[in-house]
Amino acid sequence: QSALTQPPSVSAAPGQKVTISCSGSSSNIGNTYVSWYQQLPGTAPRLLMYDTNKRPSGIPDRFSGSKSGTSATLGITGLQTGDEADYYCGTWDNSLSVGVFGGGTKLTVL
Amino acid sequence: QVQLVESGGGVVQPGRSLRLSCAASGFTFSNYGMHWVRQAPGKGLEWVAVIWPDGSKEYYTESVKGRFTISRDNSKNTVSLQMNSLSAEDTAVYYCARHAHDRDWDHWGQGTLVTVSS
Repeated sequence: QSALTQPPSVSAAPGQKVTISCSGSSSNIGNTYVSWYQQLPGTAPRLLMYDTNKRPSGIPDRFSGSKSGTSATLGITGLQTGDEADYYCGTWDNSLSVGVFGGGTKLTVL
Repeated sequence: QVQLVESGGGVVQPGRSLRLSCAASGFTFSNYGMHWVRQAPGKGLEWVAVIWPDGSKEYYTESVKGRFTISRDNSKNTVSLQMNSLSAEDTAVYYCARHAHDRDWDHWGQGTLVTVSS
């Protein structure tokens, strides 16, 4: 069981907005930045959000990130069928030098 | 552009060993920490190991400590994962990934599948 908890699945209609939560503790999310990864079917993960709310080059501004206390949230607006994927949150513990990922959330665009 | 290409996966019997490699290109390899992350079939991502840019430090997830060894050759731009005493629980796609911003993984390889089965 991962130290970061995500809902197994979320769904929404095309054009709508969805949020994916990532719940942790004071020893991980509460103490560091969060990153998010998108894994399209049959492909490798790709970085979607870093430092909680920064988008790498090429990631559209339909994707957003936020954090409050020991929880983080990924938001996706204007949903497209191409957004159907698994989404993972992750943190890096600089003091222990270990990485942690959430269990993943499957997004279905109905 | 940044490229990470894993190799070395395959089918191996329980208790045996396997060595994975990841060839990097498109960036100054010796400036970056490198990781291995795995994904069991139908499961989520699991961080496995990291090696510092100069190879001076290595860290592992608890379940592989004492069995897996991460190493790198900065002259050849490669990072490797030596896996010993393999068990069925190690069956997964293994990805190498680049450490970035001191706290995330910004580039990933395509992965290599390791199947531990008799």
